[in-house]
Amino acid sequence: EDKVVQSPLSLVVHEGDTVTLNCSYEVTNFRSLLWYKQEKKAPTFLFMLTSSGIEKKSGRLSSILDKKELSSILNITATQTGDSAIYLCAVVVGGAQKLVFGQGTRLTINP
Amino acid sequence: KAGVTQTPRYLIKTRGQQVTLSCSPISGHRSVSWYQQTPGQGLQFLFEYFSETQRNKGNFPGRFSGRQFSNSRSEMNVSTLELGDSALYLCASSPGWGVDNSPLHFGNGTRLTVT
Repeated sequence: EDKVVQSPLSLVVHEGDTVTLNCSYEVTNFRSLLWYKQEKKAPTFLFMLTSSGIEKKSGRLSSILDKKELSSILNITATQTGDSAIYLCAVVVGGAQKLVFGQGTRLTINP
Repeated sequence: KAGVTQTPRYLIKTRGQQVTLSCSPISGHRSVSWYQQTPGQGLQFLFEYFSETQRNKGNFPGRFSGRQFSNSRSEMNVSTLELGDSALYLCASSPGWGVDNSPLHFGNGTRLTVT
């Protein structure tokens, strides 16, 4: 059975801290890995990773995929209260739009 | 460009009833997929449609069904509702078939409560 596991499930830090969120996967036909941020309702897209070892970066957020270790990390530097959200990792299985999601990491940034 | 629109935003139904949820994808997007989100199970794939055809289906009972219209709008239907069907139902769209080319864009969801 395809599986995506995120850790930690919950994280509370102070504004300005740097955080690293983890995602590991076991799927039959890996195509790509995506990170989403969910604040209230709609998950919003952050990164799509297909190649191992290539870092994707957007402002204070960055992510990298390690296909050998079947994992990915999402880094957020100089965190702000607006970064508080659930961060979802999802893996594309096969060639279709089927995403297998992890449980999510609930990140809380305290001022 | 308008995002993915889901209606209604909230629904309250009783056990045994049926419900229909609607999704309008981003203009020009032809692929629509549906996900169920619950606190216990997280986000789970229901089904996906492209060009009015169901391309893939998740592990949900036959009570869950869907369809896509020629204008790419999609509906999902849940019959004989059970308490466990209470969840946030999210619709997502993308331009083509296969999320490899572009990520899914999600709507705000329909919150279904079954009593």
